[in-house]
Amino acid sequence: GESVGLHLPTLSVQEGDNSIINCAYSNSASDYFIWYKQESGKGPQFIIDIRSNMDKRQGQRVTVLLNKTVKHLSLQIAATQPGDSAVYFCAETYFGSGGGYNKLIFGAGTRLAVHP
Amino acid sequence: ETGVTQSPTHLIKTRGQQVTLRCSSQSGHNTVSWYQQALGQGPQFIFQYYREEENGRGNFPPRFSGLQFPNYSSELNVNALELDDSALYLCASSMTGGPLHFGNGTRLTVT
Repeated sequence: GESVGLHLPTLSVQEGDNSIINCAYSNSASDYFIWYKQESGKGPQFIIDIRSNMDKRQGQRVTVLLNKTVKHLSLQIAATQPGDSAVYFCAETYFGSGGGYNKLIFGAGTRLAVHP
Repeated sequence: ETGVTQSPTHLIKTRGQQVTLRCSSQSGHNTVSWYQQALGQGPQFIFQYYREEENGRGNFPPRFSGLQFPNYSSELNVNALELDDSALYLCASSMTGGPLHFGNGTRLTVT
């Protein structure tokens, strides 16, 4: 399939190591954040989300940290595996006034390359 | 549980033509959104539909339009195609307030 994120920053890790992917968001009023994983030729896949009343949330092998003071999110992947190789996007949710809609504003993305 | 499915997977059109892309939402989801993803970038919001009406729109011209049907399936229509419309078009569905779940997209190439 066609590659996603040809010129994105790349994080290279060894299989079994822990990975940390960072993201800065723009809107201090955002209160819902999501991390997505996108493999080549596929759509973004939901990994984990966090609301602004939390500063940490854990899933299976993944942890998201939220620092509202500096508008920063991070995704930690424990014991990284070759199958984790993909482009990772953070997204903040913007809620439109009046119409009740919500849209995602995506960060630039980071490519994670896992080496055996 | 059936996920979000999109058709076709790939499409080639000529500048000036019109195109219709289709999406079936994930079972139980009442909201559908469309995003455009240019190569090397994150997805950009086009619009969102809820109860068969557009309730939010991004910075896209009126030649981008859509429909949501009673069974929550959806279409994205683009008229007067331009070369810059070449991109991956993603459909996402959700329940109100929940995370968006994306399909694998339609790769549109305009020549």
